[in-house]
Amino acid sequence: GENVEQHPSTLSVQEGDSAVIKCTYSDSASNYFPWYKQELGKRPQLIIDIRSNVGEKKDQRIAVTLNKTAKHFSLHITETQPEDSAVYFCAASRGKFGNEKLTFGTGTRLTIIP
Amino acid sequence: KAGVTQTPRYLIKTRGQQVTLSCSPISGHRSVSWYQQTPGQGLQFLFEYFSETQRNKGNFPGRFSGRQFSNSRSEMNVSTLELGDSALYLCASSAGERTGELFFGEGSRLTVL
Repeated sequence: GENVEQHPSTLSVQEGDSAVIKCTYSDSASNYFPWYKQELGKRPQLIIDIRSNVGEKKDQRIAVTLNKTAKHFSLHITETQPEDSAVYFCAASRGKFGNEKLTFGTGTRLTIIP
Repeated sequence: KAGVTQTPRYLIKTRGQQVTLSCSPISGHRSVSWYQQTPGQGLQFLFEYFSETQRNKGNFPGRFSGRQFSNSRSEMNVSTLELGDSALYLCASSAGERTGELFFGEGSRLTVL
């Protein structure tokens, strides 16, 4: 089955600096790669996703890059703000729509230092 | 639109008992998935239902089961509870046809003593 590894497990960044979280996946048939943000005590929420036919996607301060050959994808957050502090999960799926069965990484706890 | 609703929010059980958790998806969403969240393992996929059919299943023992009703509401059941079953159980619904986005509920926190 699919295996997703996520690094680092914790990350502290000065406010205004950039943060990068990396994930690798094992199943070459995976075609959908979402990122979820979970604030303390709250439910996970989708912040950005990318499909395998695209190499990069950006949404304001957040971007995701995908390298299918190396089977890894990364989340980039620029100009970090205190509200970016949360746990971030990457995931991979091979279904038609992507929501059928997600395999998640173990999460990265991001702390923004004011 | 109301979000995904899970009940109960918190529950405490003892080893050997069984538990049933309920999930009401967003109106119009036909896909419902269940995930187990623990501090060390992150989110692990349990199963996914679409139009009352289990479409996908994760690597959990047969003690974990689920079902979906005609109104898309879903339940999951865990029998013969073990200490290791203590976790946050998250339900998520999805529109399915056009997007991969999962909309999570707040979860049911199960403690097994």
